[in-house]
Amino acid sequence: AQTVTQSQPEMSVQEAETVTLSCTYDTSESDYYLFWYKQPPSRQMILVIRQEAYKQQNATENRFSVNFQKAAKSFSLKISDSQLGDAAMYFCAYHAAGNKLTFGGGTRVLVKP
Amino acid sequence: EADIYQTPRYLVIGTGKKITLECSQTMGHDKMYWYQQDPGMELHLIHYSYGVNSTEKGDLSSESTVSRIRTEHFPLTLESARPSHTSQYLCATELAGYEQYFGPGTRLTVT
Repeated sequence: AQTVTQSQPEMSVQEAETVTLSCTYDTSESDYYLFWYKQPPSRQMILVIRQEAYKQQNATENRFSVNFQKAAKSFSLKISDSQLGDAAMYFCAYHAAGNKLTFGGGTRVLVKP
Repeated sequence: EADIYQTPRYLVIGTGKKITLECSQTMGHDKMYWYQQDPGMELHLIHYSYGVNSTEKGDLSSESTVSRIRTEHFPLTLESARPSHTSQYLCATELAGYEQYFGPGTRLTVT
């Protein structure tokens, strides 16, 4: 069974600084998708960024970028120029064909003004 | 505008009551999911559906049941609510590329 591990329960970052969230996963599949979801307090869960495993290029969405290391089964999220609105729970997730979405335990990001 | 709706957003109910949490979507997606999430914790899949008249139990055992009579609706029912059912329930649909689109959630408290 696939597992997704987020080893950092909580991360704190100063406004305008950069923070990196780690995620590792376990799979025997070669083709799969990886996601980072953001869940602000009392608000809807939204997709931040997606990475297809067959793509070597790391995905980027504005201030959000990933470092995808397929051999190491690592998928970290970097938030640059952190803003107060980035404060949220961040969940890493994995999906392979024929399986269901598997979430990590989440990392709470605190942004200090 | 395409979206996913969950009602009620908040519910406080007594033990033993029957409740139905509603989830509806306007996007025509076949795949829908129910997750249970305690505050600040990971999501646990409790039910899913790949289309009309298709429902399956998820990874986390749940006393709830679901139905999928219409593509747009995927309600979740608890026949007899208990304090252990207190949690947040999230409904989601699946887009292309396995991306899931989440509703705002229902926060349930059973007293």
